[in-house]
Amino acid sequence: QQQVKQSPQSLIVQKGGISIINCAYENTAFDYFPWYQQFPGKGPALLIAIRPDVSEKKEGRFTISFNKSAKQFSLHIMDSQPGDSATYFCAARTYNNNDMRFGAGTRLTVKP
Amino acid sequence: DAGVTQSPTHLIKTRGQQVTLRCSPKSGHDTVSWYQQALGQGPQFIFQYYEEEERQRGNFPDRFSGHQFPNYSSELNVNALLLGDSALYLCASSYGTGMNTGELFFGEGSRLTVL
Repeated sequence: QQQVKQSPQSLIVQKGGISIINCAYENTAFDYFPWYQQFPGKGPALLIAIRPDVSEKKEGRFTISFNKSAKQFSLHIMDSQPGDSATYFCAARTYNNNDMRFGAGTRLTVKP
Repeated sequence: DAGVTQSPTHLIKTRGQQVTLRCSPKSGHDTVSWYQQALGQGPQFIFQYYEEEERQRGNFPDRFSGHQFPNYSSELNVNALLLGDSALYLCASSYGTGMNTGELFFGEGSRLTVL
């Protein structure tokens, strides 16, 4: 059922470094691509989202880069902080479909 | 403003039993979606309720059923529990459905263990 492939499975970054998580999708009808952040014992929370009419979206230290021709999108976390340590999920859905497809997640650890 | 609340937070059942999980959506939201999150995996869509009707269903057997009440709260029922049903069950609320679906807000989930 998974139509969104996420990598890496886990990532360790030093404080102040750049964290990069990649996702690839298959369904060209997808037109909404959110990233969710999940802390242990909590539900996922929307971090940032992009639609395919733009190639990049930045919100604070978080940036989504989108490559429509390659069917790939990525999350960049600049100046990574220990508080960013969490599991990150990419996701995708079509505009008229309620079934949000999630990647398998990336466990990010930011070392002080 | 209360967010999405789910109950119970944890529960243990045995194979063959039935379970009911409950969800109250965020204030102002009228749509509830249920997701199953297995350990180490991303959430998988079970179904969505809007205007007290199941609007869309993911790839789950009919052992999984639900209900939405006039106050927009919702229940997820799972019958004839299997070991593989052990997971975190997440409720997500939003405003609108289909092409008008707004941002999803997730609850903290109900952790189901089937022995």
